[in-house]
Amino acid sequence: DGGITQSPKYLFRKEGQNVTLSCEQNLNHDAMYWYRQDPGQGLRLIYYSQIVNDFQKGDIAEGYSVSREKKESFPLTVTSAQKNPTAFYLCASSLSGQGALEQYFGPGTRLTVT
Amino acid sequence: QKEVEQDPGPLSVPEGAIVSLNCTYSNSAFQYFMWYRQYSRKGPELLMYTYSSGNKEDGRFTAQVDKSSKYISLFIRDSQPSDSATYLCATVVLGQKLVFGQGTRLTINP
Repeated sequence: DGGITQSPKYLFRKEGQNVTLSCEQNLNHDAMYWYRQDPGQGLRLIYYSQIVNDFQKGDIAEGYSVSREKKESFPLTVTSAQKNPTAFYLCASSLSGQGALEQYFGPGTRLTVT
Repeated sequence: QKEVEQDPGPLSVPEGAIVSLNCTYSNSAFQYFMWYRQYSRKGPELLMYTYSSGNKEDGRFTAQVDKSSKYISLFIRDSQPSDSATYLCATVVLGQKLVFGQGTRLTINP
């Protein structure tokens, strides 16, 4: 089956710890994206990558870091510098020719930091 | 001013009703507009997107863009309980990234 996988589905961490969220796709898509979703605020873009070994900051990149060493993988690290890390994190991908038009989303990871 | 604004609802209608979901956008240069559906605790899925103004229909769903008033709409005909979800509008900014509205939570009551 082709698609995007995110793991784990639920993640719990103590304040002050860094945590890495996994995102893998087997759709052969060039572009990958990370969003954060909070209640009543829709989705906000954290980082995106259009090709391997290159990525750009989105609208709320502070406190987050990413890497894109393989086309299939785009992990997101939530660092201790992120002030309000508890949220629902969504990864997406799209064909490079489509740009942002047809993004396919993973099932999400719900991160809770206490 | 936010680039895309959407009434978060919630919106509750009886089964079979016509549902109208709406967003406004701030920049007349925006060209592409999307509607995503998101079931509880799941990732969003793309319903359809439109370019510039006019209507686009897909089964019971119709997307409409009114560029003169910077208004986008999604109509659902013959609504079903399975349509109960959060609906998100979005637009493409700088050709590279999506900006989303807040999402409207819709419930269809049997």
